Amino acid sequence: TQLLEQSPQFLSIQEGENLTVYCNSSSVFSSLQWYRQEPGEGPVLLVTVVTGGEVKKLKRLTFQFGDARKDSSLHITAAQPGDTGLYLCAGTTSGTYKYIFGTGTRLKVLA
Amino acid sequence: GAGVSQSPRYKVAKRGQDVALRCDPISGHVSLFWYQQALGQGPEFLTYFQNEAQLDKSGLPSDRFFAERPEGSVSTLKIQRTQQEDSAVYLCASTSRTGVSSYEQYFGPGTRLTVT
Repeated sequence: TQLLEQSPQFLSIQEGENLTVYCNSSSVFSSLQWYRQEPGEGPVLLVTVVTGGEVKKLKRLTFQFGDARKDSSLHITAAQPGDTGLYLCAGTTSGTYKYIFGTGTRLKVLA
Repeated sequence: GAGVSQSPRYKVAKRGQDVALRCDPISGHVSLFWYQQALGQGPEFLTYFQNEAQLDKSGLPSDRFFAERPEGSVSTLKIQRTQQEDSAVYLCASTSRTGVSSYEQYFGPGTRLTVT
């Protein structure tokens, strides 16, 4: 059972547009990660956030962890075709090793 | 160095057959995870090893699923009497950390299992 809901489920945009992907839960997480997965490959870690309200920037990607540590967002500025992929959030609770993955957002950026 | 490798990359099995999926983690990585990923969905936890000890197998769907890591390195996920609902990508991940959150998991490319 997935405890992390991502929205939108699918997103198709033109190159140069901005977009935001959301990851929501009713549970509190001690940390949250974002991954990108390309077809035929395993997920690759983009960022880890651990503090409520934390904002991290990675070039054109901005990640935010909600104040209550129940939600997160990923914002991409000026999307490029190379950003195409399945974006996954994954959360863990304090004292455990197990990450729970979200339902995924499939992004397609058209040239 | 080499990343996590998995074999075979693709496996087609007839319903009722047994299959074995192999994972070679990054050398020296203590922790190893298996996940099941349905098409277009996020990975779902199956089981966790710390060295050779299987500390959590709560995600294994049924007693037809069995995982081992006898020498604390290579791991094998075995599925007995495969069913169509077992069709999925099986991902393996390893990490050098133990029992601590906020670690980076390194994933293999996965094995796509199709049960016909």
